[in-house]
Amino acid sequence: DAKTTQPTSMDCAEGRAANLPCNHSTISGNEYVYWYRQIHSQGPQYIIHGLKNNETNEMASLIITEDRKSSTLILPHATLRDTAVYYCIVRDMTTDSWGKLQFGAGTQVVVTP
Amino acid sequence: DAGVIQSPRHEVTEMGQEVTLRCKPISGHNSLFWYRQTMMRGLELLIYFNNNVPIDDSGMPEDRFSAKMPNASFSTLKIQPSEPRDSAVYFCASSLFDRSSLHFGNGTRLTVT
Repeated sequence: DAKTTQPTSMDCAEGRAANLPCNHSTISGNEYVYWYRQIHSQGPQYIIHGLKNNETNEMASLIITEDRKSSTLILPHATLRDTAVYYCIVRDMTTDSWGKLQFGAGTQVVVTP
Repeated sequence: DAGVIQSPRHEVTEMGQEVTLRCKPISGHNSLFWYRQTMMRGLELLIYFNNNVPIDDSGMPEDRFSAKMPNASFSTLKIQPSEPRDSAVYFCASSLFDRSSLHFGNGTRLTVT
């Protein structure tokens, strides 16, 4: 059973903010939301993760709704190099080994000039 | 930090030949994961190790596949004999322990003709 639902694809104009939604309506209290991305011909790359509070780092911001049933990854100023497949994953850091989790199909983001 | 290093980057071989893929995890990481990615099936976990010990190999397709981790800094994934349906990109990933953030290598693209 998929724990997350993401749109299959989305386009974004270069320089604009890209807002990537993820639905995780069955998330439990101990499960974190993780985001990874995979640029063509490269391995998946860690972006950010959070539990309930909004998080920001040099790559992106993560906004988690108060009920934690959904989240949005924000790339504040998208560049052509942000074209990639973005994966949203939920996992319990205390019990869930990465060996038990699936990456799913993700969202293909295409940034256009 | 050199990241996870995989070799070779590309491998082309004929059906029936033995193929060995190599991985050097990030120094200090004690969990190592092997994944396979195809267009049809996405990113699939094959096997993972904690402290050089295989924990779960249920994702290994069949007996033609084997993986070893003789020490903390090296792992191999072997396919013998190889078949055309084994053509895929094989990724190695490591983490500090099996619940911390995953770090992926850039993969080995295997083509079996």
